[in-house]
Parts: sequence; C-alpha cells; structure tokens
Amino acid sequence: EDKVVQSPLSLVVHEGDTVTLNCSYEVTNFRSLLWYKQEKKAPTFLFMLTSSGIEKKSGRLSSILDKKELFSILNITATQTGDSAVYLCAVKVGIQGAQKLVFGQGTRLTINP
Amino acid sequence: DGGITQSPKYLFRKEGQNVTLSCEQNLNHDAMYWYRQDPGQGLRLIYYSQIVNDFQKGDIAEGYSVSREKKESFPLTVTSAQKNPTAFYLCASSKGGLNLYEQYFGPGTRLTVT
Repeated sequence: EDKVVQSPLSLVVHEGDTVTLNCSYEVTNFRSLLWYKQEKKAPTFLFMLTSSGIEKKSGRLSSILDKKELFSILNITATQTGDSAVYLCAVKVGIQGAQKLVFGQGTRLTINP
Repeated sequence: DGGITQSPKYLFRKEGQNVTLSCEQNLNHDAMYWYRQDPGQGLRLIYYSQIVNDFQKGDIAEGYSVSREKKESFPLTVTSAQKNPTAFYLCASSKGGLNLYEQYFGPGTRLTVT
C-alpha cells in the first residue's frame, strides 16, 4: 500500500523563525512529489519535484527531494504570520493512464507574531 | 477566467438521501479527481478520471459514484451507502498524460449529513 507520512503534524513558531517540514514516502511507481499550501479551502500548489538533489526555490520557500532515502523537506525562512497554514505533501504514483496523488496527513504550521 | 468550480459551497442533507456534488473546469484538462478531507487528515482519493467516459476507483470509493460524460464535468454522487458522508470534498484537475502536471483544486464543498 502506498504511504506518505509527514512530520511534525503540528508546529508553532514565532515570526522570523526558520522551519523545516518533512515528508517521507513508501510507494510503487513513483512519478513526482508535490507540496501544497492549504489555508482555508482549496490547496494551492507550491512545488513539484521529480529529480533528487535539485532544490526548488520560490521566495522564502524551498524544497528538495532525496529519492534514495525517500523523503523531501520544505523549508520556510524568515516566517511570517501569512505562512500559517496546513502544508500537504503528495506523491504522484502510477503508470500512464492511471496516475494519482497519494497525500500525507499534512503539517499544521502556526506562526505567532 | 479559467478555473475549477464546485457547487454548492455548503450542503446539508438528511441521512438516507443521495446527494450529487458538482465539479466543472474550463482549463481543458484531461484528468479530474475527487478527494475527501476529514479534520486533521490529509486528502483521500475517492475516484479519478484520466479521460472522458472512463474513471477508476481511488482508495475510498465505497458509497460513492461518478460519471465523466463531458471533459469539463465530473460530478460525484454520495449515496446513502456511504457510512460517514459528512466531510469536506475537493475536486481537482490536471493536464493528465504522462507525468509532470500538478493538480489544481476547486474551492471545495462542505457536506453535512444529519
């Protein structure tokens, strides 16, 4: 059974801190790993990673994938209260014509002013 | 404006009734997906469809049904057989094909069954 596990499940930090969110996976037919941010309703896309060791960066957010150790991290530097959200990790699995995303439980991040 | 729409935003039903949730996209995406999200949990896949007139069961398909008669539309019916239907339902779409396309999500429908 395909499995994606995120840690920690919940994290509370102060504004300005740096946080690292973890995502590990055990799946068959790995295609890619995706990170989403969910504030109130629909998740919004952050990153998609397909190759090991190549960091993707967008402003204060960055992410990297390790396909040998089967995990990814999402870093947020100089956190702001607007970063408070649930961060979802998902792994795309399957073969052509039958691909799907398997989601982790999410990490609830709270940034206190 | 291109995007995914779900309606209604909130839905209340009595136990024993079937209910259909709407999902429409004008992104010309081939693939569409339905997820369920419960408090404190990630998204769980109910059904997905890679092309018109074809769909596959996800991880928790029991008590649900779908159809994909048009590329733009992927309605989900929550039947009375679904034991615990109260949840937040999210529809998503992607370009499909082989790999490398992220999914875009609709705003969700919160279903409450009493």
